[in-house]
Amino acid sequence: SQTIHQWPATLVQPVGSPLSLECTVEGTSNPNLYWYRQAAGRGLQLLFYSVGIGQISSEVPQNLSASRPQDRQFILSSKKLLLSDSGFYLCAWSTGKLGYGYTFGSGTRLTVV
Amino acid sequence: LAKTTQPISMDSYEGQEVNITCSHNNIATNDYITWYQQFPSQGPRFIIQGYKTKVTNEVASLFIPADRKSSTLSLPRVSLSDTAVYYCLVGRYGGATNKLIFGTGTLLAVQP
Repeated sequence: SQTIHQWPATLVQPVGSPLSLECTVEGTSNPNLYWYRQAAGRGLQLLFYSVGIGQISSEVPQNLSASRPQDRQFILSSKKLLLSDSGFYLCAWSTGKLGYGYTFGSGTRLTVV
Repeated sequence: LAKTTQPISMDSYEGQEVNITCSHNNIATNDYITWYQQFPSQGPRFIIQGYKTKVTNEVASLFIPADRKSSTLSLPRVSLSDTAVYYCLVGRYGGATNKLIFGTGTLLAVQP
């Protein structure tokens, strides 16, 4: 069966520090991968998506970047965190096939102090 | 991408049927309608997806009228554990355009 792993679960980082969040998927090949962010009490904002290795599309201009070095690995990064980067970050994958939707990871709660 | 409009919140009691309606007036021919459920501090969970008429699974039913400008998620006999945020999404599937945009959702509060 397919599983998605996301870590760490929580993270407290000072302003100006770098960030690296990792997401991996098991049990499938060539998944579509996504990074979302959810601010407190808000809906989910799509940040990046990828349909293949090295293919990254950015939805919102920001302080973050994403990379997909391997088929089932998706990384969210920042060189210098801002206070506004705080939030709940979710990785998701999909097959692109009807009837299955997205499968989300357990999320990373990032607090920038 | 079609914009969706749904109530910010709804209240219900255990054992009742709950219907959450979503408007998507600008839905495109290739768009599908998908509903997700999210509990606090967890990622959203896929509930149901449809294109037209009615779709039913073990969790919910989805009703879509012929003009597809709205859809209704029906939850039978809700329990306290159904308290969550429910998102209605409209989007296409396949290739580079396979992405979903989440709105603010509907907070369903089920009371005993």
